[in-house]
Amino acid sequence: KAGVTQTPRYLIKTRGQQVTLSCSPISGHRSVSWYQQTPGQGLQFLFEYFSETQRNKGNFPGRFSGRQFSNSRSEMNVSTLELGDSALYLCASSLDQGSDTQYFGPGTRLTVL
Amino acid sequence: TQLLEQSPQFLSIQEGENLTVYCNSSSVFSSLQWYRQEPGEGPVLLVTVVTGGEVKKLKRLTFQFGDARKDSSLHITAAQPGDTGLYLCAGDGGYNKLIFGAGTRLAVHP
Repeated sequence: KAGVTQTPRYLIKTRGQQVTLSCSPISGHRSVSWYQQTPGQGLQFLFEYFSETQRNKGNFPGRFSGRQFSNSRSEMNVSTLELGDSALYLCASSLDQGSDTQYFGPGTRLTVL
Repeated sequence: TQLLEQSPQFLSIQEGENLTVYCNSSSVFSSLQWYRQEPGEGPVLLVTVVTGGEVKKLKRLTFQFGDARKDSSLHITAAQPGDTGLYLCAGDGGYNKLIFGAGTRLAVHP
């Protein structure tokens, strides 16, 4: 069974631009969560989607948004990029709602210049 | 706010040594998970502990969940260079939200 895939793996943007990252969960998984990982703040939860609905949201500004499609694939968008948005963005999928094992993708490394 | 404090932050040891990593919180968690992350990769789940006082063993790794479900530890016996990586503890924050500790970066030298 294929794991969680994220595209692109690397991305370089400049301040003020916007970016869209994509995540394809493991087949059959309906929940997708997004995390931001930085050296200073570690891994921080962004949001979680289940059956196209956002069920949980972390403490990030409104510039960070996401969505989930009917096939469970998810995208996250960051608008008006700031230098501090440079990070590894990870998505994780799980089988069902509630507390279930999450499987992480390899991440998208975003660099904002 | 649920927080997890992980210690030590860095650990550099020789092959064959033993080590323990701690994960502490003032909050009760329904479960705690331990992950290992290598450069350029996402975290990989090692174990999930659910019951207070639970001990799980995975080859040379021993995981313990505190009786009050507020803390956990990871003990590695006879560390090997292949154990090198970032070890993360994470608590269940509900609806697939994981609350991560800052991580312990382990380097095992031959």
